[in-house]
Amino acid sequence: DAGVIQSPRHEVTEMGQEVTLRCKPISGHNSLFWYRQTMMRGLELLIYFNNNVPIDDSGMPEDRFSAKMPNASFSTLKIQPSEPRDSAVYFCASSRQGNTIYFGEGSWLTVV
Amino acid sequence: GENVEQHPSTLSVQEGDSAVIKCTYSDSASNYFPWYKQELGKGPQLIIDIRSNVGEKKDQRIAVTLNKTAKHFSLHITETQPEDSAVYFCAANRQAGTALIFGKGTTLSVSS
Repeated sequence: DAGVIQSPRHEVTEMGQEVTLRCKPISGHNSLFWYRQTMMRGLELLIYFNNNVPIDDSGMPEDRFSAKMPNASFSTLKIQPSEPRDSAVYFCASSRQGNTIYFGEGSWLTVV
Repeated sequence: GENVEQHPSTLSVQEGDSAVIKCTYSDSASNYFPWYKQELGKGPQLIIDIRSNVGEKKDQRIAVTLNKTAKHFSLHITETQPEDSAVYFCAANRQAGTALIFGKGTTLSVSS
């Protein structure tokens, strides 16, 4: 079975540019999560969706960050404009309600 | 909201020794406690989990214990092997499948 699929795996962009990270959850899963990982702060929850509806976005750092889930098989996390402090690994994860959360391989973002 | 503390941040053991990682949580309503293993360049993978109606769970060389009164849970790895070297994260939430709050991680190094 295909796991959670994220793209791009690696992104290097210049400060001020828009960054879009993409996620395809595991088929049949109805919960989707976006996490950010840094050395200093560890794994932080940014936002999560149940049945395509955002449930908790309190972890989204600021208005530069936005996330959408237009359908059950696709989600995006957008940063506009990007800043060097946004450099991190961004993980998407999914689960079937009440069960194990599965992570993707991550999108490694570097903003220079 | 939930806060999860994890100790130690680094742990070095000799092959064959046991390793213990401890976590505490703040929300007494939390009832699901998974442990994830993250290898370099990959996403976290679930290795074992425990729910609040159980005090201990084992899976081969890995065990997790839970003390709900004290609000702490621990991961025990026996007969460690070099391939156990990775970063381990504990997490907690109120219901399996809802957003997990993670500890900061423990880097385990097993030397042969």
